[in-house]
Amino acid sequence: NAGVTQTPKFRVLKTGQSMTLLCAQDMNHEYMYWYRQDPGMGLRLIHYSVGEGTTAKGEVPDGYNVSRLKKQNFLLGLESAAPSQTSVYFCASRHTGDLYNEQFFGPGTRLTVL
Amino acid sequence: GENVEQHPSTLSVQEGDSAVIKCTYSDSASNYFPWYKQELGKGPQLIIDIRSNVGEKKDQRIAVTLNKTAKHFSLHITETQPEDSAVYFCAASPPSLGGKLIFGQGTELSVKP
Repeated sequence: NAGVTQTPKFRVLKTGQSMTLLCAQDMNHEYMYWYRQDPGMGLRLIHYSVGEGTTAKGEVPDGYNVSRLKKQNFLLGLESAAPSQTSVYFCASRHTGDLYNEQFFGPGTRLTVL
Repeated sequence: GENVEQHPSTLSVQEGDSAVIKCTYSDSASNYFPWYKQELGKGPQLIIDIRSNVGEKKDQRIAVTLNKTAKHFSLHITETQPEDSAVYFCAASPPSLGGKLIFGQGTELSVKP
């Protein structure tokens, strides 16, 4: 199993450009999440999904959109990138229910917006 | 909503010493408290977790304690080794559909040989 994979690993954008980050998991997890990690601020939840075709806002959703057209994929879009979106982005997934709470994280995407 | 505070932000110990990282949370309804370890250039990985109906949990050299009354939980690492050097995050999970986690700010632990 590859677990959780993220594409791309690195990206540099100019202000106003758009891009999509792809997250894929092969563990048949229902729940998927997008976080951003900034120095001194921990991991902050951007958007999440509780199943195929569903999405919901997290703590810091502004400036981002997401889609979950297939169970194994969760896409994070930036329509008009801003320097404040320079960050490391992590995707995670987990099983439903209370027995298996562990979130499995991908390796991250380092995004720089100039 | 839930807010998690984590201290200290950096911690340096000698190999073999113990390390303690502390977190407080604000939502008394939160019922699940995991700790994640993040090595340089990698995603966070779960190392131990505790539920609100348990006061303490141990796994070899690591342990977590929970004080629900004070809304406080801590990570204890004994006999630290250089490979314990990493950033550690605590988190709290308030009751919600989707199992959301609210993370603390992180602690950079350095274990000196």
